[in-house]
Amino acid sequence: DIVMTQSPDSLAVSLGETATINCKSSHNILYRSNNKNYLAWYQQKPGQPPKLLISWASTRESGVPDRFSGSGSGTDFTLTISSLQGEDVALYYCHQYYIVPHTFGQGTKVEIK
Amino acid sequence: QVQLVESGGGVVQPGGSLRLSCATSGFTFSSYGMHWVRQAPGKGLEWVAFIRYDGTNTFYADSVKGRFTISRDNSKNTLFLQMKSLRPEDTAFYYCAKASCSDNVCFYFDQWGRGTLVTVSS
Repeated sequence: DIVMTQSPDSLAVSLGETATINCKSSHNILYRSNNKNYLAWYQQKPGQPPKLLISWASTRESGVPDRFSGSGSGTDFTLTISSLQGEDVALYYCHQYYIVPHTFGQGTKVEIK
Repeated sequence: QVQLVESGGGVVQPGGSLRLSCATSGFTFSSYGMHWVRQAPGKGLEWVAFIRYDGTNTFYADSVKGRFTISRDNSKNTLFLQMKSLRPEDTAFYYCAKASCSDNVCFYFDQWGRGTLVTVSS
């Protein structure tokens, strides 16, 4: 199975500052035939289901604010939240869909400092 | 507007069975693969099972293989998860999730239900 490891487990960021979450895959999840990274990011607020933010490592879902951006390739990926807002307090998960079983990172909790 | 509504959760004794349903609307259900994903209270996400748009192929996490069966009724736009030989470690919120698919190849989860809680306890 592909193991997804996020860092840090939690972080506290001041309003308006930048939050950076890392996700490392134990296997290369770049599919060379289409040059796509099979990596998604989800946001989960308390009492709610996860919500898709980003697919293909860097493609923002429709309606997601542009302060959310994804980057990386191969085995190392980053979710960046620029100019953090109060409504961004949540858990964030990375997810590889390169191969079954699909696997998730353990989650990163973002709080306001 | 896509809607996924899970039902069927509850409290069950170890070794018992439960059948979850996920009623869907707002998209052509018969054209998309579907997943079940679970989350133990206060814990992270765990993928459970996937079924192709036409039900011809299914995949399972090792933790549930042989005990859980994913199925679908395309005439009723409904996804199911039959769970048998339940264990305390199966206690979790169970979410159904629609797959984003192209040319019958499926990828990430683009829509999620609100989940149904399954508690396995004596």
